[in-house]
Amino acid sequence: ETGVTQTPRHLVMGMTNKKSLKCEQHLGHNAMYWYKQSAKKPLELMFVYSLEERVENNSVPSRFSPECPNSSHLFLHLHTLQPEDSALYLCASSQDRFGTSTRTDTQYFGPGTRLTVL
Amino acid sequence: GNSVTQMEGPVTLSEEAFLTINCTYTATGYPSLFWYVQYPGEGLQLLLKATKADDKGSNKGFEATYRKETTSFHLEKGSVQVSDSAVYFCALSDAGNMLTFGGGTRLMVKP
Repeated sequence: ETGVTQTPRHLVMGMTNKKSLKCEQHLGHNAMYWYKQSAKKPLELMFVYSLEERVENNSVPSRFSPECPNSSHLFLHLHTLQPEDSALYLCASSQDRFGTSTRTDTQYFGPGTRLTVL
Repeated sequence: GNSVTQMEGPVTLSEEAFLTINCTYTATGYPSLFWYVQYPGEGLQLLLKATKADDKGSNKGFEATYRKETTSFHLEKGSVQVSDSAVYFCALSDAGNMLTFGGGTRLMVKP
């Protein structure tokens, strides 16, 4: 059982398409995350949302655009992607607010969206 | 910056064999340490964690001890099963709750 759901589970898109990935958490958490898992690279943190604050990895291209309308929902908007963006995109959530606690808190992951860019 | 290094796989074992997957880390301060597991076609699941030196995390027969002196968090299990076949990720989390992952180690257990 997972308290974090992601849709769609699989997505195939062309380089000129615009699509969105959705994540929803049912755990009452205050922070949500997007990660990218590529075949030959370690898991990479893309974005963090904590309530209304956003932190991003500066190496993430602008063709990825996150949106967090409330603490339970997180989107990743995709446009003009490249084939090298094909990967598994994972969403996670945690109880703590980012940057406001000296203790860390466990992140719980969704099943991921397998994205293929043609 | 923070980094996590874990042994490259795949690790192939027979059922009931002893498992060790090595993990070492580099971090400033006192991070929390985690092992996550990813079964085929699924996302990551938390396996166990330890938040301070000498803590031992355990779950489903797996154990790992936070060793500050050797900056290590090796994963062990006394008797693996076919159902343990998966990819295992070691990770650390700093005070800002940013996770840094190792590259993952694929475990294959044969009957």
